[in-house]
Amino acid sequence: EAQVTQNPRYLITVTGKKLTVTCSQNMNHEYMSWYRQDPGLGLRQIYYSMNVEVTDKGDVPEGYKVSRKEKRNFPLILESPSPNQTSLYFCASRGWGNTKNIQYFGAGTRLSVL
Amino acid sequence: DQQVKQNSPSLSVQEGRISILNCDYTNSMFDYFLWYKKYPAEGPTFLISISSIKDKNEDGRFTVFLNKSAKHLSLHIVPSQPGDSAVYFCASPGHTGANSKLTFGKGITLSVRP
Repeated sequence: EAQVTQNPRYLITVTGKKLTVTCSQNMNHEYMSWYRQDPGLGLRQIYYSMNVEVTDKGDVPEGYKVSRKEKRNFPLILESPSPNQTSLYFCASRGWGNTKNIQYFGAGTRLSVL
Repeated sequence: DQQVKQNSPSLSVQEGRISILNCDYTNSMFDYFLWYKKYPAEGPTFLISISSIKDKNEDGRFTVFLNKSAKHLSLHIVPSQPGDSAVYFCASPGHTGANSKLTFGKGITLSVRP
């Protein structure tokens, strides 16, 4: 089954404790992206990757890092989480052969930073 | 500066009636639009899209209309069913060929009453 898998689904942590949210897709997609969803703000892009070893900032990259060492994986790293990073996070992927720009989303990771 | 706007946060309709969800955009260069549907505890899933070369696209009970001069699009669901109750996001990748980043509206919560 084609899917984007995020782990963990739920995470409660404390300020300053480094964490990583993993994202993996099994569709051989070149493009991957991270979004965060906040009440009243919709989804906003954090970082994206056009292919392996190619990453770039989205609209709200502050406080986040990413890496793309393999095509299928695109982890989101919070080196020193702060309470304003409490949010719902989604990973998405897209293949370049998809001319409709349909992105496939994971189920989400709900993060609470205390 | 929000480039994709969904000004009505919620909509409630009776089962069997028509649901009309509206979306406006500010950038006239945007030439492709998608609607995503999101259930609680799940990621957004693609519903229907439209290119600016068309003014209408239909898929079963779902029809999207695009009015380029007004920079407005709408999603019609006929007939509405209780299973359609979800959050609906309007999104655009901007100008064709640009980064695949999707710019999302804030979303509309649709409730279909049995």
